[in-house]
Amino acid sequence: GENVEQHPSTLSVQEGDSAVIKCTYSDSASNYFPWYKQELGKRPQLIIDIRSNVGEKKDQRIAVTLNKTAKHFSLHITETQPEDSAVYFCAASIDSGGGADGLTFGKGTHLIIQP
Amino acid sequence: KAGVTQTPRYLIKTRGQQVTLSCSPISGHRSVSWYQQTPGQGLQFLFEYFSETQRNKGNFPGRFSGRQFSNSRSEMNVSTLELGDSALYLCASSLGVDTQYFGPGTRLTVL
Repeated sequence: GENVEQHPSTLSVQEGDSAVIKCTYSDSASNYFPWYKQELGKRPQLIIDIRSNVGEKKDQRIAVTLNKTAKHFSLHITETQPEDSAVYFCAASIDSGGGADGLTFGKGTHLIIQP
Repeated sequence: KAGVTQTPRYLIKTRGQQVTLSCSPISGHRSVSWYQQTPGQGLQFLFEYFSETQRNKGNFPGRFSGRQFSNSRSEMNVSTLELGDSALYLCASSLGVDTQYFGPGTRLTVL
């Protein structure tokens, strides 16, 4: 089955700096890659997603890049703010037209924004 | 639209008991997926239901089962509870092959 590796497990950055979280996946058939943000005691919230027919997607301070050849994708957060502090999860799944397989998640990255 | 809701939010059970968790998806969503979240294993996919049929299944033992009703509400059942079943159980709904939106979860503690 699919395996998703996520690095780093903890990332501490100064407020205003950029943060980059990287994930690799094993199944070349995976074609949907969402990122979720989970604050302590709360539900995972989708922040951005990308499909395999797109190499990059941006939404304000957040961007995701996908390299299908290398089977890795990354989350980029610019101009970090205190409210960006949370655990971020990457995920991958296969949308075969008959329904998306379940999401396979990375282990998560605890992002800490230092004031 | 109202978001995904889950009941109950917290449960305490003892080993050997069984438990049923409920999930109400976003109105119009026909797909409901269930995930288990633990500090050690992270978020793991249990199964997915679409139009009352289980469409996908993760690698969990048969003690974990589910169903979906005609109004798309879903239930998850765990029989013969073990200590290791203590976790946050999350359900997520989607239109079918698209973005999944998570509920707040049910925190299950097995004593």
